[in-house]
Amino acid sequence: EVQLVESGGGLVKPGGSLRLSCAASGFTFSSYNMNWVRQAPGKGLEWVSSIRSSSSHMYYTDSVRGRFIISRDNAKNSLYLQMNSLRAEDTAVYYCARDPSGSYGQTSYFDYWGQGTLVTVSS
Amino acid sequence: QSVLTQPPSVSGAPGQRVTLSCTGSSSNIGTGYDVHWYQQLPGTAPKLLIYGDNNRPSGVPDRFSGSKSGTSASLAITGLQAEDEADYYCQSYDSSLIGSVFGGGTKLTVL
Repeated sequence: EVQLVESGGGLVKPGGSLRLSCAASGFTFSSYNMNWVRQAPGKGLEWVSSIRSSSSHMYYTDSVRGRFIISRDNAKNSLYLQMNSLRAEDTAVYYCARDPSGSYGQTSYFDYWGQGTLVTVSS
Repeated sequence: QSVLTQPPSVSGAPGQRVTLSCTGSSSNIGTGYDVHWYQQLPGTAPKLLIYGDNNRPSGVPDRFSGSKSGTSASLAITGLQAEDEADYYCQSYDSSLIGSVFGGGTKLTVL
């Protein structure tokens, strides 16, 4: 059974940092591109970042580029999101999601999602 | 605002057919990029409903179907049931943003 379990969320002050983790199980983690998607309270879904299976390429939405860093450790079946210079508008539930398409881009989608971890940026 | 445009709300009576729309542009749906749909029940993570325009993952009832034409896509739900009440999101890829984009979501109410 595919499982994605996020952790690391919490309350942080503006300008602070947080590192999210996603533990994957039930599939060959190293074969899949992985993603972070967030959802602000009462709002819709927003793609945040993607990383290729081999970590060869990373992609970011404009609002987080230069502040967030996506990474993975295939030996540990884990995905990470290092979030720096956090802003109030980064407050959201952050989901880890798997892309089964086998390539990045026009066919990318998300077939399995974690339960999410809440990040609150407030003074 | 979202790159893909969805109506905020749609409603229908049990047993009816409803259609949810998703409108994009020439840098995403209009280029022919795949459209995917997700269902999000209150307080839960999104669930994949349709992938690659009109394909259903295992376990998704055939009451759900997707289509695409030009810069728009649609999700049709037939035989509406109370359990279908949820938020629905479309998603595609945008070549200008070099990333995935979502619609703002449509809240489906079963009357």
